[in-house]
Amino acid sequence: AQSVTQPDIHITVSEGASLELRCNYSYGATPYLFWYVQSPGQGLQLLLKYFSGDTLVQGIKGFEAEFKRSQSSFNLRKPSVHWSDAAEYFCAVGAKYSSASKIIFGSGTRLSIRP
Amino acid sequence: DAEITQSPRHKITETGRQVTLACHQTWNHNNMFWYRQDLGHGLRLIHYSYGVQDTNKGEVSDGYSVSRSNTEDLPLTLESAASSQTSVYFCASSESSGGDTDTQYFGPGTRLTVL
Repeated sequence: AQSVTQPDIHITVSEGASLELRCNYSYGATPYLFWYVQSPGQGLQLLLKYFSGDTLVQGIKGFEAEFKRSQSSFNLRKPSVHWSDAAEYFCAVGAKYSSASKIIFGSGTRLSIRP
Repeated sequence: DAEITQSPRHKITETGRQVTLACHQTWNHNNMFWYRQDLGHGLRLIHYSYGVQDTNKGEVSDGYSVSRSNTEDLPLTLESAASSQTSVYFCASSESSGGDTDTQYFGPGTRLTVL
């Protein structure tokens, strides 16, 4: 069955520290992968996406993610977090040549920033 | 700038009442989606549309209906609101034709409380 797992429900990091949010997926086709961020009371904003090509993807706000097919992972990273990065982060997976309705969202990771 | 809007942003209603949540996008996107977001469940797909006059059921469609009479709007109707439908509702849209997987862009959400 298709699934997306974000193993960490809540992560706290210090401001200026590096960040890695984990995402693992199970999908029986060439995956399309997304990371979204949701600030409190807001909608989801696209951070970055991977459809094909270079497996290291750069996004907005200094985020990047690396697609590792062998590990079925698409982890999100940032070298130095800012207090404004506190939010909920969602990984999502779809598939090439698949229906747009088949995008699956993970349950999210809440990021808190320690001053 | 193109955008996707939702109204109202907050709604309180009573059990048994009919409620309609509006979603309007100016991207001229073919595909539109309604999700609900509940703690611990991430985003779950309610209904979706791949074009005018096209509507489809998602994962959690019971008690909800949609109609697509033009490209810009996909209103979501709760036929008889239930307390279990208290949630945050997000509308999204994507561009691809034929309903192929593509990046989804989200509205700001509607927080619905059913008393």
